[in-house]
Amino acid sequence: RKEVEQDPGPFNVPEGATVAFNCTYSNSASQSFFWYRQDCRKEPKLLMSVYSSGNEDGRFTAQLNRASQYISLLIRDSKLSDSATYLCVVNLDMRFGAGTRLTVKP
Amino acid sequence: DVKVTQSSRYLVKRTGEKVFLECVQDMDHENMFWYRQDPGLGLRLIYFSYDVKMKEKGDIPEGYSVSREKKERFSLILESASTNQTSMYLCASSLTEGIYGYTFGSGTRLTVV
Repeated sequence: RKEVEQDPGPFNVPEGATVAFNCTYSNSASQSFFWYRQDCRKEPKLLMSVYSSGNEDGRFTAQLNRASQYISLLIRDSKLSDSATYLCVVNLDMRFGAGTRLTVKP
Repeated sequence: DVKVTQSSRYLVKRTGEKVFLECVQDMDHENMFWYRQDPGLGLRLIYFSYDVKMKEKGDIPEGYSVSREKKERFSLILESASTNQTSMYLCASSLTEGIYGYTFGSGTRLTVV
């Protein structure tokens, strides 16, 4: 089993939709979790950290489920500019998920 | 802001050449990493380093070596480039605690012909 697994998508959603991605991890000792955004031909950039209690940043909400060993990213009111690949990373493992591709359409 | 700088954006090398990819970070981060990214395979960890002169193999170290003589610089070396090493190479750095995640360089797109 891979250390970090993501649904590769693609997710194609209309503007204004709510979309959620999950990322499962195998190392139960992991402590730090992050979501990254990667635009085409660019490097990944930190979108948000994932805290135990869950956290929100505008239209983005990240949650951690330790019991089931997954993290999630929820995007509300999708914008065209949200189109990108979203990567999760589990810090203890230094491994990234393969990414979930999101396309938001008009 | 932390800056991670990779020396080349695009490189074309011939099979069998020795290739050096340089990465420099300016925020005194302890940890540095080299990944390669290929379509459908995501980011794969090649090597990482927790300190000067220290290195650890990642998931795909074969055909690569690294050097960390100074804290701010982490070099990836392809001893004898092969066509299957054509890829996007990404350097990253982080603090020891890792609580702020990774900062990436803009990547080097290497083509081996």
